[in-house]
Amino acid sequence: GIQVEQSPPDLILQEGANSTLRCNFSDSVNNLQWFHQNPWGQLINLFYIPSGTKQNGRLSATTVATERYSLLYISSSQTTDSGVYFCAVDGGGGNEKLTFGTGTRLTIIP
Amino acid sequence: GAVVSQHPSWVICKSGTSVKIECRSLDFQATTMFWYRQFPKQSLMLMATSNEGSKATYEQGVEKDKFLINHASLTLSTLTVTSAHPEDSSFYICSASGSVHNEQFFGPGTRLTVL
Repeated sequence: GIQVEQSPPDLILQEGANSTLRCNFSDSVNNLQWFHQNPWGQLINLFYIPSGTKQNGRLSATTVATERYSLLYISSSQTTDSGVYFCAVDGGGGNEKLTFGTGTRLTIIP
Repeated sequence: GAVVSQHPSWVICKSGTSVKIECRSLDFQATTMFWYRQFPKQSLMLMATSNEGSKATYEQGVEKDKFLINHASLTLSTLTVTSAHPEDSSFYICSASGSVHNEQFFGPGTRLTVL
């Protein structure tokens, strides 16, 4: 099956800093989503981005499908950005199954 | 839009009992629902995929007789953990998709503790 790797595994930043999270995948994808899992476990949809670039406030994402990677940018970090960020991909086959990456644990220090 | 609810949010039960978890899409019709399990400090692992009105498709290594899934309507899927044991303790999360491009939306999760 498709492999999904995220880096870095852990990231500790001062409030106000910018960060870039990376997601590499091993095959072509029909769907790629970025999520933020808050401390209570809720997965919050950030982006649906199988290709191209999108922006939503302080967050933006870029997927380069031909090179099999996606980047999530967080600017001017706030303490509420802390949590685990997952990317997940649907490698096709018609079953819409998402394979999750290992996640990046982000901690923003006041 | 695209809100998914789960009930209960947490449950504690004795070993050997069965537990039912409900997953509902509140503002859209979900043609497909998914059930995941997440152990502490780990990623989400897909357990099964269910389509309304048909049998669920289970991932390799997931016992279909232990984790019963019913998708009776376009807005409701249930997961029943039968004869639960302590090793079944985990965080169970459902998701639903129904949009044209199959974006998945997740419920808040159910934390199961089996004593």
